[in-house]
Parts: sequence; structure tokens; C-alpha cells
Amino acid sequence: AQSVTQPDIHITVSEGASLELRCNYSYGATPYLFWYVQSPGQGLQLLLKYFSGDTLVQGIKGFEAEFKRSQSSFNLRKPSVHWSDAAEYFCAVADPGIISGGYQKVTFGIGTKLQVIP
Amino acid sequence: SAVISQKPSRDICQRGTSLTIQCQVDSQVTMMFWYRQQPGQSLTLIATANQGSEATYESGFVIDKFPISRPNLTFSTLTVSNMSPEDSSIYLCSVERGPNYEQYFGPGTRLTVT
Repeated sequence: AQSVTQPDIHITVSEGASLELRCNYSYGATPYLFWYVQSPGQGLQLLLKYFSGDTLVQGIKGFEAEFKRSQSSFNLRKPSVHWSDAAEYFCAVADPGIISGGYQKVTFGIGTKLQVIP
Repeated sequence: SAVISQKPSRDICQRGTSLTIQCQVDSQVTMMFWYRQQPGQSLTLIATANQGSEATYESGFVIDKFPISRPNLTFSTLTVSNMSPEDSSIYLCSVERGPNYEQYFGPGTRLTVT
């Protein structure tokens, strides 16, 4: 079964500093990969996704992520963090080979809470 | 993407009562999903709802506790029955869109059971 690990539960960065959030997955082949952001009191917003092709994907709000097959990783990055980026970030994985009952089952990581200090 | 709304956005309920959460999508979708996000935890899929058929529940979730309706292609409800404090969570609905079935989420319903 697929699984997702986000090793950092909580990260604090200064505004303007760079950011990298780690995500590792367990899956036998190349899964579909996602990053979602959840601002306080809000639902989840899709930041970016990887299905195939170029391993560096660009998302909204200036985020990017790089798929590294050799490391089974899909880390999220941003060169300069803004105070409004303070939120919780979820990495997720889906198995492209299985559409069970007509849908694709998504497994979420436990999330990384980002705090931005002035 | 998709525009998804949920009602209520939050509620405080007493033990033993039930709450029905509504999810409305801006256009027709085949599959709708209900997730639970307990405090400090990730999202757990409760069930999938396909219009015109019974919802499919994940392990650990049963219809008597979480009955789901899907009367049409833009709407679904989730009822949390006979609530206990352990049901205090955020409940989110989502839909699949796009060629690769990516999921889009509603804003969630924050439920507190006292």
C-alpha cells in the first residue's frame, strides 16, 4: 500500500527566507504526487501536482516541487517566504494504476505546519 | 478546479445528537468524497458517494454512524449520528476533476461535540 511521510511536523522560517518542506513516499512505481495547503480555518487548496514528465513542477503562489525517483521524494520549495504562507502543508500520493470503484484513492501525509516570523 | 461550498462552516453540538453537513459543487461531478481531519492529524477518507448508488465506506466507518446522501450530481450530505466528543473534527468534502483525477476540497465543517 502507498504511504507518505512528512518528517517535519513543524517548521519556523523568517519572512524572506527560503523554504523546503520534505515529503517521502512509499510506492512500487511512480505515483501521482500532490501538495496541498490548508490555511487556518480553511479547506485544502491544491498547490501543485506531478503526474509525469518534467520532474520540476511549478505551482501557485510561487511554490515549486521536485520529484526525485531515486530518493522517493517530492519536496516543496519556495525561494522567499511571505507571512501569508503560514499554514499547514500536506503532501499526498495517488496510485495512477488503480481506479478503484471509479475513483483514485489518495493518501495524505500528516502535514507540516509552517510558522513565518517577521 | 472546482468551487465547493459546505454548510455549516462550524457547529457546536451536544453529545448524542446528529448533525447533517451539506456539500454543494458548482458543476456536475461523478464522485464526491467525505474526509475527516481529527485534531493534529491528517485526512482520513470516510466514504465515496456516487450519484444514484449507495456510498462506499472505508474500513472503520459505517453507514449507521455516517449516513450519506447523493441525490444529484452537484450535491451531497454527510450526517454524523449520535455524536460523541471523539467526533470533534473537521469534515471536508472533495470532488475529482481533471484528466488525472486530482481532488479539490471544500472549506470544511469544524464540528465540536460537548
